[in-house]
Amino acid sequence: RKEVEQDPGPFNVPEGATVAFNCTYSNSASQSFFWYRQDCRKEPKLLMSVYSSGNEDGRFTAQLNRASQYISLLIRDSKLSDSATYLCVVIRMDSSYKLIFGSGTRLLVRP
Amino acid sequence: DGGITQSPKYLFRKEGQNVTLSCEQNLNHDAMYWYRQDPGQGLRLIYYSQIVNDFQKGDIAEGYSVSREKKESFPLTVTSAQKNPTAFYLCATRKADRGLRYGYTFGSGTRLTVV
Repeated sequence: RKEVEQDPGPFNVPEGATVAFNCTYSNSASQSFFWYRQDCRKEPKLLMSVYSSGNEDGRFTAQLNRASQYISLLIRDSKLSDSATYLCVVIRMDSSYKLIFGSGTRLLVRP
Repeated sequence: DGGITQSPKYLFRKEGQNVTLSCEQNLNHDAMYWYRQDPGQGLRLIYYSQIVNDFQKGDIAEGYSVSREKKESFPLTVTSAQKNPTAFYLCATRKADRGLRYGYTFGSGTRLTVV
């Protein structure tokens, strides 16, 4: 079983739609959580950190459920420019602080 | 501007050849990481270094080697022992005394293809 699991998609939605991505992680010692965005053939870029209380950044809302080991990302009012792959990432809390990546969920926003 | 420079952007390797991918940073970050990404997959950790002259194996280190002689540089050598080296290679950095919520900084990557 992968340490971080995501639905690969693709999610194909119209502009203006609300879309939600889910992610589960298996290592209960994981302490830090992130969503990264990766455009085709580019490097990942940090979209937002995920806090226990949930957090919002404009149209993006991230939630964390530690009991269920579950992370979510909600995108409201989707734009064409939101089309990308969204990577769920956790930090393995040992001395390395390694990022552990999910395989990503692809989002396609159509006009 | 501070950042991470990976070179070359594209690299072609013949069977049995060793090649070295460059990663240079002027962010004054302490930790540096090498990841590999295969199509449709997440990134997997090859090697990492948290201080100069020290580095550790990641999850898929076989067939790779690294050095960390300077804080700014963390080159990755893909050896002939790596049987399936075609992939997208990403270098990342992290400042040790910065909160983890800031995440990591990635270079723009090197695409390696075996011909």
